[in-house]
Amino acid sequence: GAVVSQHPSRVICKSGTSVKIECRSLDFQATTMFWYRQFPKKSLMLMATSNEGSKATYEQGVEKDKFLINHASLTLSTLTVTSAHPEDSSFYICSARPGTGSGANVLTFGAGSRLTVL
Amino acid sequence: EDKVVQSPLSLVVHEGDTVTLNCSYEVTNFRSLLWYKQEKKAPTFLFMLTSSGIEKKSGRLSSILDKKELFSILNITATQTGDSAVYLCAVEAWGKLQFGAGTQVVVTP
Repeated sequence: GAVVSQHPSRVICKSGTSVKIECRSLDFQATTMFWYRQFPKKSLMLMATSNEGSKATYEQGVEKDKFLINHASLTLSTLTVTSAHPEDSSFYICSARPGTGSGANVLTFGAGSRLTVL
Repeated sequence: EDKVVQSPLSLVVHEGDTVTLNCSYEVTNFRSLLWYKQEKKAPTFLFMLTSSGIEKKSGRLSSILDKKELFSILNITATQTGDSAVYLCAVEAWGKLQFGAGTQVVVTP
């Protein structure tokens, strides 16, 4: 089945530094990927839609200069948390829709990246 | 404003019990409703529902959608400790998924 790989799974950084999270579709091409954020005991909140070869579409209230998204190829999207602060600490999950096969319309999630900003 | 509401927020049951999870929604341009199971990390797909009244079944899990009353239920029969997880309901509209807050299910031995 479709696999989405996310890296790193866990990262700890100092306040003020930037952190990059990668999301790869391993066995399918994804023109669109989605980035979610999840707070403890809360649901997934869509942050932005990553579009291959064009600018990401951000949800209301999400700072695009803070959360930089790059979707340079059909299998890779990156999320960079710039000048991270403790309030950015969260669980970030990416997802993609395979587009073909039995799971064509089902969003497949990466394993998530837990960011802790000290 | 679009919304997806799940109930209950959490419940504790004994092994062997049956649980019913609810998901109601108000969205424009509804396309489908999906159920996911989230244990420690990534949500894993359970069901996708697009038509009313057609039950989908996978082992001890089943789900059905009512597009007139705008809700779905997820049933788990003969629960096992491995069913302990957060169950997420999501509605697809305008090409995006909007998630409910989830129902945390704890199955005790």
